[in-house]
Amino acid sequence: EAGVAQSPRYKIIEKRQSVAFWCNPISGHATLYWYQQILGQGPKLLIQFQNNGVVDDSQLPKDRFSAERLKGVDSTLKIQPAKLEDSAVYLCASSLGGGFFEQYFGPGTRLTVT
Amino acid sequence: SQQGEEDPQALSIQEGENATMNCSYKTSINNLQWYRQNSGRGLVHLILIRSNEREKHSGRLRVTLDTSKKSSSLLITASRAADTASYFCATAESGNTGKLIFGQGTTLQVKP
Repeated sequence: EAGVAQSPRYKIIEKRQSVAFWCNPISGHATLYWYQQILGQGPKLLIQFQNNGVVDDSQLPKDRFSAERLKGVDSTLKIQPAKLEDSAVYLCASSLGGGFFEQYFGPGTRLTVT
Repeated sequence: SQQGEEDPQALSIQEGENATMNCSYKTSINNLQWYRQNSGRGLVHLILIRSNEREKHSGRLRVTLDTSKKSSSLLITASRAADTASYFCATAESGNTGKLIFGQGTTLQVKP
């Protein structure tokens, strides 16, 4: 079974530039998550999708971050414009349904904003 | 917001010893999960314990849950150098979407 795929693995941009991350979840997983993990901290949920609908985006900085899930499968997370404090690892995960099941994580995208 | 608080923040032991990590949380939960993260990689699910369970085993892992004290512990027996990683507890709150809230993690170093 293929795992969660993410790209790119690394990205370096200057502040005020824009960046996009892509995620392909495990086939058949209805729930998809985007997390932000700052060095030395646990992952923080940014947005949770159930199929192609948003379930929770309470911690997504909506003035600069946006996300969509196309046809209930792949997802993209965009930051525009980026700030220095956005430097982090962005993790995508998927599960069969909500937090009542284990989540499978991708390898993450390490973003450095200079 | 971070719900889980993990203790200790860092732990260093010799190969063959047991490692115990603790997690405390604040609200009612549906389940509690433990994840491992090797340096520079994504998280790997280890074990899920539901709120009506008190203890669960998986190989060398033993997890306990005390809902009255809102705490959980992860025990790794006969540790190996390959167990060196960060360990996170995550809680799925009751009565909502089941979103997971992760703790800050415990960094475990197992010396050969």
